[in-house]
Amino acid sequence: AQSVTQLDSQVPVFEEAPVELRCNYSSSVSVYLFWYVQYPNQGLQLLLKYLSGSTLVKGINGFEAEFNKSQTSFHLRKPSVHISDTAEYFCAVSDPYSGGGADGLTFGKGTHLIIQP
Amino acid sequence: DARVTQTPRDKVTEMGQEVTMRCQPILGHNTVFWYRQTMMQGLELLAYFRNRAPLDDSGMPKDRFSAEMPDATLATLKIQPSEPRDSAVYFCASGSYEQYFGPGTRLTVT
Repeated sequence: AQSVTQLDSQVPVFEEAPVELRCNYSSSVSVYLFWYVQYPNQGLQLLLKYLSGSTLVKGINGFEAEFNKSQTSFHLRKPSVHISDTAEYFCAVSDPYSGGGADGLTFGKGTHLIIQP
Repeated sequence: DARVTQTPRDKVTEMGQEVTMRCQPILGHNTVFWYRQTMMQGLELLAYFRNRAPLDDSGMPKDRFSAEMPDATLATLKIQPSEPRDSAVYFCASGSYEQYFGPGTRLTVT
């Protein structure tokens, strides 16, 4: 079974500072990787995904992530955060499905990003 | 703007009662997922369907939970009988490679 580790449960950052949220996964075979954001009392919104190709993926709201196969990591970064980025961020992994598409997601425990003015 | 919809948004019920949650996936998505979110366990996959056929329900307590997809526009998750430990937010998602989540059903069992 796959597992996802988000090393920080909470990350406080000053507004306009850069941030990195760390994510490591357990699988050594091909995987699909995702970052989702959850605002209070809302569902999960897809920030970005890695399926194949370039290891640097760009997403919405100025976020990007880098897939590192040798370190089994998929860290999320933003060069300058805003108060509106305060939310819970989840890293997730799924297996490619042989018939096309993906299987269910395995999530990390989440990282609460707190933006301080 | 296509979205996954879920009803009800909130449900409070007494222990022992049947609970039915409904999900309308995004039109054209062939895979539908059910997840549960709790403070203790985080986000867990309960079950999913592809082309309306159940693929995996290993994350679901079999004795009280059941998931069905009677047609391409409706997925249901039933709990009978409900227990206080079932209190959680239940999310439906649809997609192929990436998944799009609904707003969730917050279930409270007293």
